[in-house]
Order: sequence, then C-alpha cells, then structure tokens
Amino acid sequence: GAVVSQHPSWVICKSGTSVKIECRSLDFQATTMFWYRQFPKQSLMLMATSNEGSKATYEQGVEKDKFLINHASLTLSTLTVTSAHPEDSSFYICSAPDLLAGNTGELFFGEGSRLTVL
Amino acid sequence: SQQGEEDPQALSIQEGENATMNCSYKTSINNLQWYRQNSGRGLVHLILIRSNEREKHSGRLRVTLDTSKKSSSLLITASRAADTASYFCATAGYSTLTFGKGTMLLVSP
Repeated sequence: GAVVSQHPSWVICKSGTSVKIECRSLDFQATTMFWYRQFPKQSLMLMATSNEGSKATYEQGVEKDKFLINHASLTLSTLTVTSAHPEDSSFYICSAPDLLAGNTGELFFGEGSRLTVL
Repeated sequence: SQQGEEDPQALSIQEGENATMNCSYKTSINNLQWYRQNSGRGLVHLILIRSNEREKHSGRLRVTLDTSKKSSSLLITASRAADTASYFCATAGYSTLTFGKGTMLLVSP
C-alpha cells in the first residue's frame, strides 16, 4: 500500500514556541491530506483537511490561526502549532487517500507525532 | 459528532480464541472501514465493506455490515498475541472518515 511519512515522531517544546510537523506521501501524490488529533485512549478527531494549492478546511472548533496548515506540493503537508501551550500536548496524525489508485476510500496514515509542551 | 461507537471498549482474551468487536453508527454511509492502531503508532487499514455488502473476509478477519441496524462487527479468529492493539471502525460519508472511540484488544499468550 501507499506510504505516508510523518516527522518528527515526537517533539518536546517550551510553552510559547511553535512546532512544525511534516507529512509526506512517499510513493503517491496526495492532493488531499487529513490532520487528526488523538488524546490518550481516545478516538481520532479530525482537525482539518489540507488541500494542495489552496486553503485548508478546518473543522468546527479548531483555531486556524493556532494550527497553521500548508500544502504546498502534492507530496507534502505541514501542520504548525503556533505559540504552543501544555493543552496542545497530544498525538497528531496525518493521513491521505491515494486517489489515483482508484479511490478505494482507504486512508494511509503516518506514524503520528507526539507533541509535549512543557 | 462521532459516527461510530465501538463495543466493547476493552476486550481481553487468550491466544487462540476469537475476538468480536462491534460498531454502531448513526447516519447513512458509503462504506465502513476498520483500522488497527498499535500503541503510540499510526493507524493501519484492515478492511473496507461497502454499504451494499453484508459480509467480507480477509485472512483471519471477518466483517459484517447490517445497514438496517446501522451496525458492523469485526471478528478476528484464532487470535495471536500480536493482535494486541486498538481497533477502530470508521464510517465514510460524503468526503471524510469519522472514527469511533475504539476497542482495546489484549491477547494474552
């Protein structure tokens, strides 16, 4: 199946700093990528849909100025957590469908990035 | 709001036993998918069942879908310790997947 790479896998930062998380599709082009947030032992909550060449679509309640998303190429989407605070500590996961493979509906996930804000 | 709700929240069995997890949802779907997540890792797609299908098999996995009851089940036969993970159902509507809260499966040797 298609491969999605996410980096970094974990990051610790001080409160008030910004953190960038990268999501890359390694062997397919991803015009759309999804960013999820997951709290311990909880489900995945969709934060935003990242669209190549256009603005991301944010879910209700997600601050677009807090969570900046850039999808500048067909293989890379980035999520920047700006002015991070301890409550932003979470597991962030990206995913993408391989639409050219027949749009089966399957999503391919990165390995996730664990953010800890001190 | 979340679509899928898995049941049970946690399941503990012995190797060799079968594990059954259920998922209920609320609105119409195009398909329903099951994913697996090892602790602290990303999700891995297991199987997809379309709304016009009733049952699907893949190796030791068997998925059923009852659209009249808005429910699905995932059966893992002859479980192994390596099957220990969280399992999520995800419902596909128009454009996005919505995940349930998951079932944590523990398979003891």
